[in-house]
Amino acid sequence: EAQVTQNPRYLITVTGKKLTVTCSQNMNHEYMSWYRQDPGLGLRQIYYSMNVEVTDKGDVPEGYKVSRKEKRNFPLILESPSPNQTSLYFCASTSLMDRTDTQYFGPGTRLTVL
Amino acid sequence: GENVEQHPSTLSVQEGDSAVIKCTYSDSASNYFPWYKQELGKRPQLIIDIRSNVGEKKDQRIAVTLNKTAKHFSLHITETQPEDSAVYFCAASYNQGGKLIFGQGTELSVKP
Repeated sequence: EAQVTQNPRYLITVTGKKLTVTCSQNMNHEYMSWYRQDPGLGLRQIYYSMNVEVTDKGDVPEGYKVSRKEKRNFPLILESPSPNQTSLYFCASTSLMDRTDTQYFGPGTRLTVL
Repeated sequence: GENVEQHPSTLSVQEGDSAVIKCTYSDSASNYFPWYKQELGKRPQLIIDIRSNVGEKKDQRIAVTLNKTAKHFSLHITETQPEDSAVYFCAASYNQGGKLIFGQGTELSVKP
């Protein structure tokens, strides 16, 4: 089954404790992206990657890091989480080859930083 | 920078009525306009999309219209049903497979 998976689905942590949210897709998509969703603000892009070893900042990259060592994985790293990073996070992927532009979203990770 | 404005933020209709959600975009180079539906606690899912070379697209009870001159596009849902209740997001993209700029979302409530 074609899908995007994220782990963990729920996470409560404390300020300053490094964490990683994993994202994996099995559709051989080149493009992967991380969004955060906050009430009244829609989905805002944090980072994106056009292919392996190619990453770039989105609209709200401060406080986040990413890596793209393999095509299927695109982890989101919070080196020193702060309460303003409490949010719902979505990973998404799309193919750059089939020209459909359809983005497939993961199930989401609800993060709470105390 | 690129921006997408979406209105209204909330919309309540009676079952069977029509619902219309409107979006405007700032980047005239935008050429792809998807609409996503997000049910409570779930991920956004694409329900319909339109490209800049088309003015209207329909899929059963939903339709999207695009006015490139005015830089706005709209989602129309006819004969609404309670299961249409969700948050709807519009988005715009100016390069293929690239960055999507999302609107702020519309919470649609369909009352039986």
